[in-house]
Amino acid sequence: QKEVEQDPGPLSVPEGAIVSLNCTYSNSAFQYFMWYRQYSRKGPELLMYTYSSGNKEDGRFTAQVDKSSKYISLFIRDSQPSDSATYLCAMTEYSSASKIIFGSGTRLSIRP
Amino acid sequence: DTAVSQTPKYLVTQMGNDKSIKCEQNLGHDTMYWYKQDSKKFLKIMFSYNNKELIINETVPNRFSPKSPDKAHLNLHINSLELGDSAVYFCASSQASGLAGVYKNIQYFGAGTRLSVL
Repeated sequence: QKEVEQDPGPLSVPEGAIVSLNCTYSNSAFQYFMWYRQYSRKGPELLMYTYSSGNKEDGRFTAQVDKSSKYISLFIRDSQPSDSATYLCAMTEYSSASKIIFGSGTRLSIRP
Repeated sequence: DTAVSQTPKYLVTQMGNDKSIKCEQNLGHDTMYWYKQDSKKFLKIMFSYNNKELIINETVPNRFSPKSPDKAHLNLHINSLELGDSAVYFCASSQASGLAGVYKNIQYFGAGTRLSVL
């Protein structure tokens, strides 16, 4: 069993829809949770960074962490064609330099 | 100005050759990383250096050798290339030390080096 599981998709939704992306994990020591966005032929870029359980909102993006269920989500409201990319969840035990474990990524396509 | 830059962007080479990929960051970070991303987009850490010292060394064949001449550079040398080494290699950097309460280990990635071994 992988430490972090993520549905690879692809996921295709119409413009304006609410998108929900999810990851589950097995290591209860993870405390820091991230979502990275990766456009085709580019490096991943950090989208959201959260600590422990709870919600964090940034513009159209909301990250949710439920440590009791070992489940994290990213919601995208009013999705735009420019949101089409691969979204990778990532998590780590410590805030200092340590190994980050990435999910395999979900490929998202927003249809105009 | 590119924050994390890798060269070359593309590398096509024959099996058995030796090649190097260079990485430089101008963010003033103290930690740098090498990741391998396979064809299924799975991103896996290979090495990490903090202030020129190796701190993460995953189970990687010893044909792969990282070298950090200073905090701003982390190069990856690969000996005797094999078909299975074909992948995209990403360099990243982060600031690991700092004030308490500041989020650390936020990693910034380069654009990647696409390695094809024929």
